[in-house]
Amino acid sequence: AQKITQTQPGMFVQEKEAVTLDCTYDTSDPSYGLFWYKQPSSGEMIFLIYQGSYDQQNATEGRYSLNFQKARKSANLVISASQLGDSAMYFCAMSFTGNQFYFGTGTSLTVIP
Amino acid sequence: DTAVSQTPKYLVTQMGNDKSIKCEQNLGHDTMYWYKQDSKKFLKIMFSYNNKELIINETVPNRFSPKSPDKAHLNLHINSLELGDSAVYFCASSPWTGGNEKLFFGSGTQLSVL
Repeated sequence: AQKITQTQPGMFVQEKEAVTLDCTYDTSDPSYGLFWYKQPSSGEMIFLIYQGSYDQQNATEGRYSLNFQKARKSANLVISASQLGDSAMYFCAMSFTGNQFYFGTGTSLTVIP
Repeated sequence: DTAVSQTPKYLVTQMGNDKSIKCEQNLGHDTMYWYKQDSKKFLKIMFSYNNKELIINETVPNRFSPKSPDKAHLNLHINSLELGDSAVYFCASSPWTGGNEKLFFGSGTQLSVL
């Protein structure tokens, strides 16, 4: 069975600082995708970043980067230069062949002015 | 033009009632999903359909019945609603690939069972 773990239920970061949100996963499938989604208090799910299991380079999208360590089975999200609008729930997710798509329990991030 | 739209946005109802949530996507995607987000924000997959065929059916009470009349629509019907069904229900869609495509989400339906 596939499993995704986010061990930080809540995180705080000072505005303009960088923050790392942890995600570890467990799978025996060689092919999978790793995703991060943001859910602000308004409730919508916003896609942030994607990393394929065969990708050699870490994914980056603007202020977001994914620190992919395949041997450790970790896919941490790094947000640089935090902004007040980054305060939200952040979900790590995995997808597998057959479009199975599972989410971690989420991390609540609060950016302090 | 909304990519994944679900209606209604809010649904308040009494225990024991039957209700439906509708979902439509205009992205041409083959796969559609229903997720339940509980009060602790945990997102649990309920069902997944590919081209109108059920491919994932997690452990969900059989009071929940998905219906996919065509690949652009996936509706969720819930019979005999219970207090524990109160949650946010998200519809989502993605292309059918090897699992490397992101999910596109609807805006969610907040279901409150009184």
